[in-house]
Amino acid sequence: EAGVAQSPRYKIIEKRQSVAFWCNPISGHATLYWYQQILGQGPKLLIQFQNNGVVDDSQLPKDRFSAERLKGVDSTLKIQPAKLEDSAVYLCASSLRTGGNSPLHFGNGTRLTVT
Amino acid sequence: DAKTTQPNSMESNEEEPVHLPCNHSTISGTDYIHWYRQLPSQGPEYVIHGLTSNVNNRMASLAIAEDRKSSTLILHRATLRDAAVYYCILRATLYNNNDMRFGAGTRLTVKP
Repeated sequence: EAGVAQSPRYKIIEKRQSVAFWCNPISGHATLYWYQQILGQGPKLLIQFQNNGVVDDSQLPKDRFSAERLKGVDSTLKIQPAKLEDSAVYLCASSLRTGGNSPLHFGNGTRLTVT
Repeated sequence: DAKTTQPNSMESNEEEPVHLPCNHSTISGTDYIHWYRQLPSQGPEYVIHGLTSNVNNRMASLAIAEDRKSSTLILHRATLRDAAVYYCILRATLYNNNDMRFGAGTRLTVKP
């Protein structure tokens, strides 16, 4: 089966600019996650979707970050305006269903550099 | 905050077994224990998961303590390709704030 697709692979922007990342999960996967991974740290959960509804966005900086999952399939994560500390890899993951018995499948991420 | 604790780093010799520990003292009765690993410049890769009983698959074995407050990922014969950061996380059956929180993981170095 095809894996989780993310684009772009790399992005360089200046602070205060806007940026968007795209994720296409594995076909049929109901649950989608966005993570932020700063260099040297583990991934930090930003938001979790179940179909097109938000399950958990408690760690999403809502003043500058937004995410949507149209029609319960693809998802976009946006940052507006970007700050230097947003430099990180943004990972998308999906699972067949919510619940502990369903493993996550990750994409290879988008590496964002904010200058 | 991560709900699991792991050693920052471990070393192993090639072709020897590796035991990677994880503590999860706040685990709830319906949380599954998942292990993922991450190679450089890649997203995390699923390794194995379990609830109460020990589990085996082609990649590894998972040993879960009887009280479920700790677990151990076992790589039976380490290869150079197993060098990665290994993450132990809890995955909730019923949503709670333990769910899917990664810590810093254990960086495994495999020496030839």
